This record gives sequence, C-alpha cells and structure tokens, in this order.
Amino acid sequence: QLQLQESGPGLVKPSETLSLTCSVSGGSITSDNYYWAWIRQPPGKGLEWVVGIFHTGTTYYNPSLQSRVSVSVDPSKNQFSLTLTSVTAADTAVYFCAPFSTSQGYFAPWGQGTQVSVSS
Amino acid sequence: DIQMTQSPSSVSASVGDRVTITCRANQNINSWLVWYQQKPGKAPKLLIYLGSVLQSGVPSRFSGSGYGTDFTLTISSLQPEDFATYYCQQASSFPLTFGGGTKVEIK
Repeated sequence: QLQLQESGPGLVKPSETLSLTCSVSGGSITSDNYYWAWIRQPPGKGLEWVVGIFHTGTTYYNPSLQSRVSVSVDPSKNQFSLTLTSVTAADTAVYFCAPFSTSQGYFAPWGQGTQVSVSS
Repeated sequence: DIQMTQSPSSVSASVGDRVTITCRANQNINSWLVWYQQKPGKAPKLLIYLGSVLQSGVPSRFSGSGYGTDFTLTISSLQPEDFATYYCQQASSFPLTFGGGTKVEIK
C-alpha cells in the first residue's frame, strides 16, 4: 500500500527558493498508474493543485505557478521533488504530496503534509 | 481552466440529518469528479471518485451523483465523525482544480 512522506525546511525567506521532497514507499514511482503531484493549502483556505509529474518526465503545471515551479523524479530513491522560486508570503501553506490516479482521477493516499512558512 | 463552485460554503446540521453538498463545473467534465473529506490538521481523505464510486472503506451513508456540470455529495444520516470540510475536484483536464470547500458544522 502506497505511503508518502513530505520533507523539507519549514521556514523560507522571501525571494528565496522552497525545496521539498516526497518519499514514496509501498510502490514504485515508475508505475504507469500515477502522476506524482504536489498540492498546497494556505492557512484557513482551500486546496490548490501545484504540479504533477509522470515518471517519464511528462509534467503538468498550474499555470498560475508555472514560471516559478520545477519538479523532478528520482527513481533510484523512489522520491520526487518540488522547487518553487522567488517565494513570497502568499506561498505560505501546507504542502501535500499525493499520487494522482490516471485511470480514476483521484489523489490518494495523501502525505501528511508539511507546513512551509515564508518569512524573514 | 475549469472552475469548480461548491455550495453552500458552510452548513450547520445535527447528528442524523441528511446533508447535501453541490459542486458545479463551468464546463462539461463528464463523470470526472472526486469528493474528499478533510478534518482540521489532517490531509484530505478520498470519499468518492468518478462522480459516484464509493472508495473502499468509506461508509455507505456517503453517496455521490451527477454528470456533466452538476454534482452532489449526500450524507444520508450525519454522524459525529462527519463534521469536517468537504472538497470536490475535477479530473477532466489539467490544470486539476478543486472547489472552495464546504464546512459541515455542528448545529
């Protein structure tokens, strides 16, 4: 059974780069059944899909973030990573990673989420 | 982008009540609609996918219906553990988008 765990710094300074990693266990990140996604949730607000990547490297971006987002997959570590550049306070959020089922269209299971605050 | 609009944004209900939440897409998404439940401080939990398919392990008091642009999540008899925020999500096309959420509160 798939399990995902986010990791990364909890505090990032404005204008700097946010980097997060999602470790996948219980299944292979090279599965053809999933895109690997990042979703975020600002405090007290709703869910925002950020980006999704297939193990081949095919990537889909949220257009509102595309210019600042990059994502990569590391099959050797069964991990995928998110980089968000030039962060501002508006990027403060809980960041979740989750597999996106290509056949059923859902995110599940989700990682527990990691809080990232942007502040000097 | 496909816009997802949920209503109401919040609802107050009592244990045993029937609760209905609506999600509307601004274009046809066929049955590519997912419902999640989120409790404070927790990750969302999958309830229903493809509009009406109940995820394994989810109680049968939850049901989903709809097709095209209009969808409904129904909780037939609200239980104490159901007080949470519910989100819909369209999976018809990228970028994937969520509704704004519906908070189900205790009356």
